[in-house]
Amino acid sequence: GQQVQQSPASLVLQEGENAELQCNFSTSLNSMQWFYQRPGGSLVSLFYNPSGTKHSGRLTSTTVIKERRSSLHISSSQTTDSGTYLCALESGGNYKYVFGAGTRLKVIA
Amino acid sequence: GALVYQYPRRTICKSGTSMRMECQAVGFQATSVAWYRQSPQKTFELIALSTVNSAIKYEQNFTQEKFPISHPNLSFSSMTVLNAYLEDRGLYLCGARRRGNSDYTFGSGTRLLVI
Repeated sequence: GQQVQQSPASLVLQEGENAELQCNFSTSLNSMQWFYQRPGGSLVSLFYNPSGTKHSGRLTSTTVIKERRSSLHISSSQTTDSGTYLCALESGGNYKYVFGAGTRLKVIA
Repeated sequence: GALVYQYPRRTICKSGTSMRMECQAVGFQATSVAWYRQSPQKTFELIALSTVNSAIKYEQNFTQEKFPISHPNLSFSSMTVLNAYLEDRGLYLCGARRRGNSDYTFGSGTRLLVI
């Protein structure tokens, strides 16, 4: 089955620094999303990005299928960016997402 | 916009009892609903995928006998945790997908505590 590896597992930044989060996968890709998990547990969809580059404010997602990786770039980090970032992807056309273990980001003032 | 509501937000049940949780899609028709569990200190595991007009497909380690799911229409799904024990505690999320889309919208989850 699909294997999803996220790195780093955790990251601490000073406010204003940039962050690069990685999601590596083992097989082909049909769908993928990046999520932010709030402290209470709910998921916020940041990007649906099965290929290419997408931007949203200070966030950029880049998925390179042939390299089997996707990245989430956070520029000018803020304390409110703290939380867990998850990638989830599906490879068999069966709409079953497999989640990575997440990156726990902490931004300090 | 597309929203998914889950109820209850959190619940406590006694060991050995059962607990039902609901998932409501608002603003779109949920042709597929996926139920996930996030156990403490773990990532999300898929419990089952329910697609309207198809059989519900359970993942390994999860069974209909333990987690019966109902998906009676395009806006509603429910799942019951039968005979809950300590290992069933965690955050249960439902994600809904509309026909023709590949991305999911997730609810806020139901957090289950078993005592």
